[in-house]
Amino acid sequence: ELKVEQNPLFLSMQEGKNYTIYCNYSTTSDRLYWYRQDPGKSLESLFVLLSNGAVKQEGRLMASLDTKARLSTLHITAAVHDLSATYFCAVISGGGADGLTFGKGTHLIIQP
Amino acid sequence: EAGVVQSPRYKIIEKKQPVAFWCNPISGHNTLYWYLQNLGQGPELLIRYENEEAVDDSQLPKDRFSAERLKGVDSTLKIQPAELGDSAVYLCASSLADSYEQYFGPGTRLTVT
Repeated sequence: ELKVEQNPLFLSMQEGKNYTIYCNYSTTSDRLYWYRQDPGKSLESLFVLLSNGAVKQEGRLMASLDTKARLSTLHITAAVHDLSATYFCAVISGGGADGLTFGKGTHLIIQP
Repeated sequence: EAGVVQSPRYKIIEKKQPVAFWCNPISGHNTLYWYLQNLGQGPELLIRYENEEAVDDSQLPKDRFSAERLKGVDSTLKIQPAELGDSAVYLCASSLADSYEQYFGPGTRLTVT
C-alpha cells in the first residue's frame, strides 16, 4: 500500500524567512505532485515532478524530487503572507491516469 | 475554457437521507475521479472512470455509495443512506487519457446532521 508522509503538518513562520516542507513516500513512483489549497477552496496545482533530480521553481516556491530516496521537498524562499495555505504532496501509484495518493498536508501560516 | 464544474456546492441533510452530487469534467477529458476529503486531511480516491467504465472503485464503500457516468461525460455520486461520518468535501477531478495533470473542481461540502 502506497503511503505518503509530509512534515511538518503545521508550520508558523515569519515573513522573509526560508523553510522546507518534506514529503516521503513508501513505494516506487515516477510522478510527484504539489498542490496548494486555500481555506474552503479546491486544489490548485503547483508542480508536477516527473523524474529523478527534477527541480521546478515558480516565484518563491521551488520543488525537487529524489526518486531513489523517495523524497520530495518544497522550499519557500523569503516567505510572504500570501503564501499562507495548506500544501499537499501527492504520488501516483501506477502509470497513466491512476488516482493520486495524498499526504495529510502542511498547514502553513506566515505572519508579518 | 471552463474548469471542472460541481453542484451543489453545499448540502446539509439529516442522517439516513439520500444525497447526490454532480460533476461535469473539462470538455474532452475522458478520465474522471471522485475524491473524498475529510477535515484536515488530504483527498482520498473513491472511484476513477475511463469514459463510462469504472476502472478503479476499490475504495468506494459499496454498501451505501454508488456512482455512474452513463455517457462518459457527466458523473453522479450518490450516498444512500447518509451517515454522520459522511460529512466531508467531495471533490471531482478530470484529466486527459495518459496525461499527468489532474484538474480539480470546487467540491461539494456535505454536512450530515
